[in-house]
Amino acid sequence: DAKTTQPNSMESNEEEPVHLPCNHSTISGTDYIHWYRQLPSQGPEYVIHGLTSNVNNRMASLAIAEDRKSSTLILHRATLRDAAVYYCILRDAYSGAGSYQLTFGKGTKLSVIP
Amino acid sequence: EPEVTQTPSHQVTQMGQEVILRCVPISNHLYFYWYRQILGQKVEFLVSFYNNEISEKSEIFDDQFSVERPDGSNFTLKIRSTKLEDSAMYFCASSSKEVAESSYEQYFGPGTRLTVT
Repeated sequence: DAKTTQPNSMESNEEEPVHLPCNHSTISGTDYIHWYRQLPSQGPEYVIHGLTSNVNNRMASLAIAEDRKSSTLILHRATLRDAAVYYCILRDAYSGAGSYQLTFGKGTKLSVIP
Repeated sequence: EPEVTQTPSHQVTQMGQEVILRCVPISNHLYFYWYRQILGQKVEFLVSFYNNEISEKSEIFDDQFSVERPDGSNFTLKIRSTKLEDSAMYFCASSSKEVAESSYEQYFGPGTRLTVT
């Protein structure tokens, strides 16, 4: 899997938007961009994924650069419950026919200030 | 909302003992996984399982480890002879293969904390 680079940590004030960046300059054309998060003392949790177009779901938005070498996870209004480690992971859609391992990096630890 | 469950939440065992960690994946999922996370470190892939056989495994998953789906609902990880370095959180995950679009998100359980003394 291609490598991603994320800041070690970020802070946000509660109820403000948060933009979590991820660089993936060696991304291939068939790599999906996945985001997971891990709340303290819990298992990882799927957040969102995309290929080329920006994506929205009930949890977050994913903005993908036109050249796909970077992406940004957007939490529109951070809450205390969003304090977690956020992982940006690339996954080749054509590898493993649905059975695939996720390769977690160190992620970005997001702190939310009340 | 369906979820992955794991038992026990915490297991303490002595070095050299066998342990079995249990998971109940989401009922219509077809792919099952085990990951582990040593305290303060990254989440690491151990093994994936599909159609009653291992499809991928990492270097960590050596002969001391085995997985099984003994019935239609449970998925187990067995460590034959535990070592101190096996102390970690073990996460089970499952995913489905959706026909229309690559939606291979994995759903993780809450984990089992294994402490080897």
